[in-house]
Amino acid sequence: NAGVTQTPKFRVLKTGQSMTLLCAQDMNHEYMYWYRQDPGMGLRLIHYSVGEGTTAKGEVPDGYNVSRLKKQNFLLGLESAAPSQTSVYFCASSYRQLNTGELFFGEGSRLTVL
Amino acid sequence: KNQVEQSPQSLIILEGKNCTLQCNYTVSPFSNLRWYKQDTGRGPVSLTIMTFSENTKSNGRYTATLDADTKQSSLHITASQLSDSASYICVVSPSAPGGYNKLIFGAGTRLAVHP
Repeated sequence: NAGVTQTPKFRVLKTGQSMTLLCAQDMNHEYMYWYRQDPGMGLRLIHYSVGEGTTAKGEVPDGYNVSRLKKQNFLLGLESAAPSQTSVYFCASSYRQLNTGELFFGEGSRLTVL
Repeated sequence: KNQVEQSPQSLIILEGKNCTLQCNYTVSPFSNLRWYKQDTGRGPVSLTIMTFSENTKSNGRYTATLDADTKQSSLHITASQLSDSASYICVVSPSAPGGYNKLIFGAGTRLAVHP
């Protein structure tokens, strides 16, 4: 069972470079999410999607863009990376809205911006 | 402001001992409260989900309790094992309109079980 798969798992960028994190889920979930996890803080929602072709801003969306062209994939882009974006990024998916639905996480992508 | 506070920040116990982790929240109203286990270098995995009307939920050696009046939850681990070493995260789902896809995460309690 693959569940939620994130690529790459590790990446080092220089300030100003761009990159895309890919999230793929094989559970046919409608809802997908991108979070970031920083030391001493709870996970924070960056962007989310309630279905193919939709995206919405979360708690900390600045500096990130997302796309959901296919139901199973949710891409997170950094157009011009900054050191403040050094973090561990988690993708997650759920079958229903989170007030009733279970949330399944990927293994995380550790990004370092120098 | 909706917040979830966990205590202690870190905890060391000996294998076989019990422990209790605390979660205080100000999120109101809320739909459910969850506990996740996150192993080092891995993603969080769900342990329990309790609706606002539930008082307790068990998953093997893990038992979560909820007191909606005092806005407190606890996670009790019985007969700890080395594999219980992880971070435990308390998460609250607000029930206000517009919040149906938002979760409020605590910073977690890091538990180390020593032999």
